Amino acid sequence: GQQLNQSPQSMFIQEGEDVSMNCTSSSIFNTWLWYKQDPGEGPVLLIALYKAGELTSNGRLTAQFGITRKDSFLNISASIPSDVGIYFCAGLSGTASKLTFGTGTRLQVTL
Amino acid sequence: NAGVTQTPKFQVLKTGQSMTLQCAQDMNHNSMYWYRQDPGMGLRLIYYSASEGTTDKGEVPNGYNVSRLNKREFSLRLESAAPSQTSVYFCASSERITVGETQYFGPGTRLLVL
Repeated sequence: GQQLNQSPQSMFIQEGEDVSMNCTSSSIFNTWLWYKQDPGEGPVLLIALYKAGELTSNGRLTAQFGITRKDSFLNISASIPSDVGIYFCAGLSGTASKLTFGTGTRLQVTL
Repeated sequence: NAGVTQTPKFQVLKTGQSMTLQCAQDMNHNSMYWYRQDPGMGLRLIYYSASEGTTDKGEVPNGYNVSRLNKREFSLRLESAAPSQTSVYFCASSERITVGETQYFGPGTRLLVL
């Protein structure tokens, strides 16, 4: 099955630094969703993007829907310890409501 | 408003045993989904139900069956568990709004098949 290419696979950053991660695909998506997963928990929706070129913010998080509809990025500004977790992108295409997930970016924040 | 709930949280099975994973949502969503998550991988779709009374196969349906009991509940059944089905299982539901769709996930069921 198809999976999105998500990078980087992992990041170790210091508290206060900005973070950037992205997803690319060979297929076009109509929707991009960004999730965060804490250990032992289900994915929690962070940001939803519905339109090519759309730039959306949620607090310190900013995400963009690529103009080609084949990519998306997520930025986290001024990272804090609770940002630790795995971030997944997910793309939705067609009308079948089937999400395709990226392989995840594991974020570690050091004090 | 509990969102998406799943039971049980943990389960250990022996090879060949059967079990049903339960999922319920209280958001009045039409569509529901079952995913599995294996180490180092994203979530993979097992089955989904676009609306009450319909179910369809996802990417990895072999060894599983589902039942959309009503609009709120969507269960996943393993008839004869195998070690390859050791995984974390997530249920999700989605709402379709004017601009697009969003999926919300439950906390997961951790299954170990010995």
